[in-house]
Amino acid sequence: DTGVSQNPRHKITKRGQNVTFRCDPISEHNRLYWYRQTLGQGPEFLTYFQNEAQLEKSRLLSDRFSAERPKGSFSTLEIQRTEQGDSAMYLCASSPQGFRNEQFFGPGTRLTVL
Amino acid sequence: GQQVMQIPQYQHVQEGEDFTTYCNSSTTLSNIQWYKQRPGGHPVFLIQLVKSGEVKKQKRLTFQFGEAKKNSSLHITATQNTDVGTYFCAGPPIRGGNMLTFGGGTRLMVKP
Repeated sequence: DTGVSQNPRHKITKRGQNVTFRCDPISEHNRLYWYRQTLGQGPEFLTYFQNEAQLEKSRLLSDRFSAERPKGSFSTLEIQRTEQGDSAMYLCASSPQGFRNEQFFGPGTRLTVL
Repeated sequence: GQQVMQIPQYQHVQEGEDFTTYCNSSTTLSNIQWYKQRPGGHPVFLIQLVKSGEVKKQKRLTFQFGEAKKNSSLHITATQNTDVGTYFCAGPPIRGGNMLTFGGGTRLMVKP
């Protein structure tokens, strides 16, 4: 399968714990995005990478959130000191270089903070 | 900041009826994209419109981008059970960039 993959698919954690999610984009895509989606809502943009450079960050991304894409391939999203309000689906998407920036989404990681 | 609104939030239609969802942005968009998310699934890209007043068709789906590049619509003719899902519009601001702001989506349910 050459689509976007995300791991883990589900994560249950206790409040205050740190969690890390991984995204592997489509191999030839140099753009990578992270979104958060809660039930009944559209995806909310969190951050965007072009290759290894983090070019855009949403105001939603508090200092507890950090994302990396060290070699311009896979990316990780870490949430420190999780809160119940962090419970959501975390979606990763990638897109190729060029004007057409249609995004290909992965299956997401569902986070539940108890 | 940029806001994108969609109406209606939900729509029940009888199979074979037409369906339309409307998308409005608080700011001018560089382009508009439409995505479909099936229940339990992830958003899947449908189409991108770039030009003011552009209209594109995909089989029974017709997409339109407004003249002012602030609104868009998706019309489905003769809905089928396979059309069930939530339809999202999304767009980056006219200044450019890759940050997509998504609307809240319209959830389509089709009654047989």
